[in-house]
Amino acid sequence: QQQVKQSPQSLIVQKGGISIINCAYENTAFDYFPWYQQFPGKGPALLIAIRPDVSEKKEGRFTISFNKSAKQFSLHIMDSQPGDSATYFCAASGGFKTIFGAGTRLFVKA
Amino acid sequence: GAVVSQHPSWVICKSGTSVKIECRSLDFQATTMFWYRQFPKQSLMLMATSNEGSKATYEQGVEKDKFLINHASLTLSTLTVTSAHPEDSSFYICSARRTSVTGELFFGEGSRLTVL
Repeated sequence: QQQVKQSPQSLIVQKGGISIINCAYENTAFDYFPWYQQFPGKGPALLIAIRPDVSEKKEGRFTISFNKSAKQFSLHIMDSQPGDSATYFCAASGGFKTIFGAGTRLFVKA
Repeated sequence: GAVVSQHPSWVICKSGTSVKIECRSLDFQATTMFWYRQFPKQSLMLMATSNEGSKATYEQGVEKDKFLINHASLTLSTLTVTSAHPEDSSFYICSARRTSVTGELFFGEGSRLTVL
């Protein structure tokens, strides 16, 4: 019940393309769903987050789509750039608990 | 976003020595901080939850006598790896919860520990 399943494990996208990363959770008590971006040798940085009262949130080229009934959420990166190449973690948070997905390594080809 | 500073960013030590890593929230008060360990190409593994003014809560399998955590103020938590061994070599990351926003975590830059 505490797992957050993230896919794909790795992703290669052409520059200008759309990168899509998916996550699924089990515990309906989660009420905060962030995405973190991590570059090698650095700590994760909060990218964008959503709460279950909305189905979509957009910030620049980054969009979270949230499907409460399916208990799934996804990150879309529009117009992907080589600088977006990093590892992305989804997470689900409820109370003082945050569960992280396994991560997706994104590589954007120039 | 909020700033969490972690120091040192990398450290090399001899086997048997102790190493202290500091985690500071620079522009907000954090009653709760978290310490993680991250192995190459893997996700974050929560080691312990650090609460200001009280004992840390350790995850199952984490040796509390080896990984000493102190959260003496609302802006500082420290992780001390005692009697370090090569198998303790890893990337350690802290995060702080900004209590005004439920669930929101901010991470430090991480500390790369290499034990020779």
